[in-house]
Amino acid sequence: QSALTQPASVSGSPGQSITISCTGTSSDVGGYNYVSWYQQHPGKAPKLMIYDVSNRPSGVSNRFSGSKSGNTASLTISGLQAEDDADYYCSSYTSSSTLVFGGGTKLTVL
Amino acid sequence: EVQLLESGGGLVQPGGSLRLSCAASGFIFSSYAMSWVRQAPGKGLEWVSGISGSGGSTYYADSVKGRFTVSRDNSKNTLYVQMNSLRAEDTAVYYCAKDISSKTRGRFDPWGQGTLVTVSS
Repeated sequence: QSALTQPASVSGSPGQSITISCTGTSSDVGGYNYVSWYQQHPGKAPKLMIYDVSNRPSGVSNRFSGSKSGNTASLTISGLQAEDDADYYCSSYTSSSTLVFGGGTKLTVL
Repeated sequence: EVQLLESGGGLVQPGGSLRLSCAASGFIFSSYAMSWVRQAPGKGLEWVSGISGSGGSTYYADSVKGRFTVSRDNSKNTLYVQMNSLRAEDTAVYYCAKDISSKTRGRFDPWGQGTLVTVSS
């Protein structure tokens, strides 16, 4: 199972919005609505930010939103804040009943 | 409060074996699928294995199939992974993670703090 494709890095200034893409195939992202997004700060465990494409767990800011079109899912962060500076990973359920992560995206808040 | 606490990591020689444990608390353990996810030093996340809430269904990444075995003891609220024939490329921090349902669908919340496995001679 090949990893999902994410941009290696994105950046934005405080207050701006950014979008991180996550591209897979019809056997994973495009075939199921089980796409999740995780935030990971250095030395910390990942944190679930979005699940089932666009659902936010309790306690996650509504500045985080998710969507999907075809084989590509996206995470949008609006009103960037300094604490959003972190690595972000997407994941998807697959037709093999396994899970696959994206390579990760380093978000830099300028 | 939901808590996951991994243990069992350490240094092991290539070809050796190790068993990791993840002690869970704060939720009805048998109602939720669990997974192991690893992260090699400086690298991204890699899903390793998952198990349904009942323990009746198990799933593996191709990279560990035939070498790793996931299991759970719902009476002890503990998740395990037996790792055999370890290779240098298995070196990573291993996290256990709770899915939000009884099925392995990759909605992991929360994660444990991780335990480091180093495979080296």
